[in-house]
Order: sequence, then C-alpha cells, then structure tokens
Amino acid sequence: QQQVKQSPQSLIVQKGGISIINCAYENTAFDYFPWYQQFPGKGPALLIAIRPDVSEKKEGRFTISFNKSAKQFSLHIMDSQPGDSATYFCAAKSSGDKLTFGTGTRLAVRP
Amino acid sequence: GAVVSQHPSRVICKSGTSVKIECRSLDFQATTMFWYRQFPKQSLMLMATSNEGSKATYEQGVEKDKFLINHASLTLSTLTVTSAHPEDSSFYICSASSLTGDNQPQHFGDGTRLSIL
Repeated sequence: QQQVKQSPQSLIVQKGGISIINCAYENTAFDYFPWYQQFPGKGPALLIAIRPDVSEKKEGRFTISFNKSAKQFSLHIMDSQPGDSATYFCAAKSSGDKLTFGTGTRLAVRP
Repeated sequence: GAVVSQHPSRVICKSGTSVKIECRSLDFQATTMFWYRQFPKQSLMLMATSNEGSKATYEQGVEKDKFLINHASLTLSTLTVTSAHPEDSSFYICSASSLTGDNQPQHFGDGTRLSIL
C-alpha cells in the first residue's frame, strides 16, 4: 500500500516535444506529491510538488496533473530540451511520514 | 533556495575501514534529516531518519550497528559506515527538512560515492 508505481522506466523524446511521466499510488493518506530531477552523480532536486486539493500545478515548462479519484498523478515537460535529460522520480508522503519514491524514469531528449 | 551540503563527495578506501559522511543544512535549521542509499539505475532507498537530539529510526533490514547516525545539532547529521566491505559500496544521499511545518520539502545533498576495495 506504500508503493508508488512509476512509468515508463525510460523515455526518449525529441527536442521541443512533450515528456509525460506517470505515477500511481494506493495509500489514500498521501497528501503531498513532489517530483524530483536527478542528474548523474548528483542528489535529487525538487522540481515541483502538488497537494491533492488541486488538480493541476504549473511552473514554467513543468506541469503536474493530479487525479485524486484515480489515485494518479503525472509530470508533463513542455518544449523538452536536451538539458532536461535526467532521471525523474515521483514521490508521495502523508503527514508526519516519510517520502515514498517511485522507481524513476530515465528521460533522454534528442537534439 | 535551501541548500544541503554533503561531504565528502567521493570516498575510496580499503575493506575494514570506517567511513564518516557529513550532511549539513547551510541556510536552514533541520529537525529531521534522512539518509538514503541508491544503487545504479535504481530508486532511493531510505535507510534511516535522524532527529536532532534523539536516536535515529532505522528502516527494516538496515543494521544500526553498521550504519551509525548522529544528529548532534540542527544543521549537522553524520553517517558512519563501520568496518566497510565491498558490498557497502554505493551512493549515499542525505536530505533535510526545515524546522517548522509538516510536509516541508526535503532538500537533498549531492551524495557521497563510496567505493570499498
């Protein structure tokens, strides 16, 4: 019940395209859903986060879509750039509890 | 933004050596710090949660006598891998949350690549 399922495992997108990464969860107590970006040899960096009282949050080229009834949330990267090539992790957390990470998606944006 | 500094970034040492990794929150006070382990092309695995002034809480399967955690102040936590062996080679990452409010973002350090020969 604590798992967060993430797909796809890897993704190749052309420059300028839209990258979409999906996550699903079971624990209805989760109330905080962050996305992290990790470059090789570096720690994860918080990209954007959402709480379940909103269905969408946008920051620049990054958008989180959240479907509470389906227990799913996704990250959309608009106008994908080669510099966006990294591993992306979704995560979920309930109050006072630890973060549960997805399995990660390796994104490659081709020039 | 919030910065978490982790040191050293890379360690190579002989089997049997003990290795200490430091995690510092540079511009905020962190009541809670987390230690993760990450294998190549895999997700982060939480090892333990460190609270300032109290004993760390270890995840199931993590040996507390092997991975010693000390959180002596609101800005510093250390992880000591005791008597390290090749199977302890991994990427260790810390993170910290700020003092106030629940669901405050976790900010991660840049990790320590530990290689045991």
